[in-house]
Amino acid sequence: SSELTQDPAVSVALGQTVRITCQGDSLRSYYASWYQQKPGQAPVLVIYGKNNRPSGIPDRFSGSSSGNTASLTITGAQAEDEADYYCNSRDSSGNHLFGGGTKLTVL
Amino acid sequence: QVQLQESGPGLVKPSETLSLTCTVSGGSISSYYWSWIRQPPGKGLEWIGYIYYSGSTNYNPSLKSRVTISVDTSKNQFSLKLSSVTAADTAVYYCAREAKGAVAGGYYYYMDVWGKGTTVTVSS
Repeated sequence: SSELTQDPAVSVALGQTVRITCQGDSLRSYYASWYQQKPGQAPVLVIYGKNNRPSGIPDRFSGSSSGNTASLTITGAQAEDEADYYCNSRDSSGNHLFGGGTKLTVL
Repeated sequence: QVQLQESGPGLVKPSETLSLTCTVSGGSISSYYWSWIRQPPGKGLEWIGYIYYSGSTNYNPSLKSRVTISVDTSKNQFSLKLSSVTAADTAVYYCAREAKGAVAGGYYYYMDVWGKGTTVTVSS
């Protein structure tokens, strides 16, 4: 199906590791990209391609992929990582798909 | 450093056409895809469509009948028109640059530069 599925909400204790997942058929063919969005702000790219971080994104952010599932891992979550996270990929028709978003709470 | 800025009316009447422009500064519009994305209040991101600098387009199937995206390379701008709007089209509208990377056997795509977004309300 042409959609990406994310868990609506995830929580993590300060300094611990959290994985946010994204499932969809398109991910068998295309890498996901991941975006962080804080309230009232535009999304920011945090991971793209196999596991690439744009300049300025901390190395505690990493990405991986297996089959129809892409994952964003934050190793040693910080308070400033509390945000909504969206996955995205193209499908075979060239259309873009966004996951529904995961709200990350840092406890 | 490339920056994007959305502009256009913040209020549109039902049944009318929403028109927005994204101005690209600090770089050329050439050699990239350029997307429009929207986010209704309290909801997630929805891709509207993209245009390649050469003019080829691709639209979200759910909006395709109402959407037109165009590009003006001489002005380093691209634009969105969404016709027959209703209250359901009320959202923050973002423009974004889409880059492409190569891997063995294909490509991957990602939106690396975003505008700050502009709020459009559909109301009489």
